Amino acid sequence: GENVEQHPSTLSVQEGDSAVIKCTYSDSASNYFPWYKQELGKRPQLIIDIRSNVGEKKDQRIAVTLNKTAKHFSLHITETQPEDSAVYFCAAKGSNYKLTFGKGTLLTVNP
Amino acid sequence: EAQVTQNPRYLITVTGKKLTVTCSQNMNHEYMSWYRQDPGLGLRQIYYSMNVEVTDKGDVPEGYKVSRKEKRNFPLILESPSPNQTSLYFCASSLLSSGGYYEQYFGPGTRLTVT
Repeated sequence: GENVEQHPSTLSVQEGDSAVIKCTYSDSASNYFPWYKQELGKRPQLIIDIRSNVGEKKDQRIAVTLNKTAKHFSLHITETQPEDSAVYFCAAKGSNYKLTFGKGTLLTVNP
Repeated sequence: EAQVTQNPRYLITVTGKKLTVTCSQNMNHEYMSWYRQDPGLGLRQIYYSMNVEVTDKGDVPEGYKVSRKEKRNFPLILESPSPNQTSLYFCASSLLSSGGYYEQYFGPGTRLTVT
């Protein structure tokens, strides 16, 4: 089955810096890659997603890049703010509609 | 208001006592899923359903059952709970036909403790 590895597990940055979280996946048939943000005590919420026929997608300060050949995708957050502090999860959806998540990255943005 | 609801939100039970966690969505979504979240392990899919009467195993289905008799409901059943099923459980739903994008809407979570 699909295996999603996510790095780093924790990331601490200064406010205004950029943050990058990387994920790799194993199933070449995976075709949809979402990123979820989970604030403390809350439910996960989608922040950005990308399909396998797209290399990059941007939404204001957030961007996702996908390298299908290398089977990895990354989340980029620019100009980080304290409210960006949360756990971020990547995921990959295979052809069978099963969604496999990475183990999460705890991002801390220090004022 | 479009939402996914779960009940109960908190549950403490004893080993072996059957329990059901309900999940309901009002968005007419075809796809529904259950996840468990444990520290350091992220979100792991238990079961998912692509439509009424269609269910399939996720990565950690052992010890759980599900049913999808109606489109809006997807209950999670623990026939004989054990302490290793103590976890935070999330139900989620999404459309299947949305141009290749499948945003999942999560419920508020159910904190289950099995003693």
